[in-house]
Amino acid sequence: GQNIDQPTEMTATEGAIVQINCTYQTSGFNGLFWYQQHAGEAPTFLSYNVLDGLEEKGRFSSFLSRSKGYSYLLLKELQMKDSASYLCAAMDSNYQLIWGAGTKLIIKP
Amino acid sequence: NAGVTQTPKFRVLKTGQSMTLLCAQDMNHEYMYWYRQDPGMGLRLIHYSVGEGTTAKGEVPDGYNVSRLKKQNFLLGLESAAPSQTSVYFCASTSGIEGNTIYFGEGSWLTVV
Repeated sequence: GQNIDQPTEMTATEGAIVQINCTYQTSGFNGLFWYQQHAGEAPTFLSYNVLDGLEEKGRFSSFLSRSKGYSYLLLKELQMKDSASYLCAAMDSNYQLIWGAGTKLIIKP
Repeated sequence: NAGVTQTPKFRVLKTGQSMTLLCAQDMNHEYMYWYRQDPGMGLRLIHYSVGEGTTAKGEVPDGYNVSRLKKQNFLLGLESAAPSQTSVYFCASTSGIEGNTIYFGEGSWLTVV
């Protein structure tokens, strides 16, 4: 079957660094997405990886290892506004997205 | 540029009533999706469309119907609402090209009493 696993909840301190992991199993693979979702709002796009390696975009970076079925989202210099859920989604061979349940990130002062 | 627009944003229904959620996108996207999101669960695909005139079932299609008569619109219908359909519904669209961003509507909060 197809599935995505990511931690349910994480807590970090303002100004620190946090890494949110995601493992996936899909029928074929056409890329890995990370989305941010604040409570009561729609998900917004953060990153897309289809090749192995690290993609850096400001304070946020995303890493992919296709051989391990593994990705992580790295958030640096955490700010209170980063408190949100982070959704991992893998795209299968039919270009359908398989979504994880999301990781709720709590930032403490 | 409006992106993806959903209507209505909030609705309360009585059990057994029917209603339609409208999703409209102005980006000329081929692919459109309807998801529901429940507490503690990921986005679950209800139905999707890969182009005008086409629809397909997703993970949780029972109790819902869809239509894509025009490329820019994707309608989600609840035939006979049940309390289990109380949820937040998100519409999304993408061009379908590998790696292209998937855009979401703002969500529709539906309560069935």
